[in-house]
Formats: sequence, C-alpha cells, structure tokens
Amino acid sequence: DADVTQTPRNRITKTGKRIMLECSQTKGHDRMYWYRQDPGLGLRLIYYSFDVKDINKGEISDGYSVSRQAQAKFSLSLESAIPNQTALYFCATSDLSSTNTGELFFGEGSRLTVL
Amino acid sequence: GDSVTQMEGPVTLSEEAFLTINCTYTATGYPSLFWYVQYPGEGLQLLLKATKADDKGSNKGFEATYRKETTSFHLEKGSVQVSDSAVYFCALRRGGTSYGKLTFGQGTILTVHP
Repeated sequence: DADVTQTPRNRITKTGKRIMLECSQTKGHDRMYWYRQDPGLGLRLIYYSFDVKDINKGEISDGYSVSRQAQAKFSLSLESAIPNQTALYFCATSDLSSTNTGELFFGEGSRLTVL
Repeated sequence: GDSVTQMEGPVTLSEEAFLTINCTYTATGYPSLFWYVQYPGEGLQLLLKATKADDKGSNKGFEATYRKETTSFHLEKGSVQVSDSAVYFCALRRGGTSYGKLTFGQGTILTVHP
C-alpha cells in the first residue's frame, strides 16, 4: 500500500458543487501539503500544515480550504467549485529531517474536472 | 519572486541516447536545487539534489551540477532506457526555509522508444 493515499483519484463535478479531496499518510510525518499541478505551470502550493493546530496558506489558497483532522489526515475542500479549478491535485508529506533536505513524499494525485 | 524554467518538451529519444533537460532558476540567496520524477500514474519522487554551488547530485545514472554562475541545474543521463519515460521536474527551495515549500518548473515529458 502507498504511504501517502489520496481519495478520490478521479472526480468529475459541476460548477458550484462542494468537493473534498482527502489525504492520509502512514509515514508518521508531521508536515503535510496540498499542491496543484496544471499543464505548463508545474506544481503550486495551496496550503501546508506543520501539525494539527498549524495551518498556513500557500501561494494560491483562494477558493480552497483545508482541515487537518489528525496528524495523518489532511483534507482539501473546494466550497463552490469553478472550472478553472480543474487540475491534478497532490498531497505531500515531510518531517523535520526530510524538510531540511528538501524531500517531499507525494501521493498519486487526484484528478479533478469541474464542468 | 523565485522561479524555475525548464526546457520545453516533450522530449522523445531512442534507447541508449544521451539526455539533457535544461533547467535555470531565479532566486535570492543560495537555494537548494532538486530534480523530481513522476512516472505514469504515480506521484512525484525525489531523483537527486544539490545544496550548494558546484555540488553534483546523482542517482540512477542521472546527474546534475549546481552552477551558480549560470543559475542552472541541467539534468543529464548518458544512456536512457525505456523505463526512464516520465515527467521530470526541476525545483528549488530557498535557503533558510523552515518548511517544505518548493518552487517547481513546468515539467518536461520524456518518452524513450526501444
């Protein structure tokens, strides 16, 4: 089984719907991240969390919210989805040691299509 | 702000060909530089890294040298295999950053034919 698991892997929804993407990890890492990947733009950071009580906005947080339900779980929500949120979303984790070396551990991605 | 620029893809090569994927960056201070690889259907994984000027990162036959004078971190492999087909991302992390915020390039798709 993957160390970083994302659900759903694929989702098609309509404009205005609320969507939640979930991420769980078995690596025991305290830091978790949500990135968005768009063709030609690479990955951009949406939110990150150092621990359950610490949530921080990344560079493109508008239109998104997150919840850190436990150390191992970090969910991304789109309260009212719009078509330009169509993208591939990645959850990633790190701990202090891997953060210091710059290594993040990624899930397999959740492809979201907003019609 | 920080930015990473990679060569336009996709790149298509025959097996055993030489690979170069160019990467240049803009950042203040002394960033750490990375190459991540994304195999089909999988998440990104770290391929190699370099943390200071003139460092050479290497892994699985891939190499990249941190060139501060040209702000570059080009990825090379002497003889590619079909199994190297993937998307390759160059990334940087600003020095002194206390969390894992990486700035990624746009990714380069590599396809290797037998």
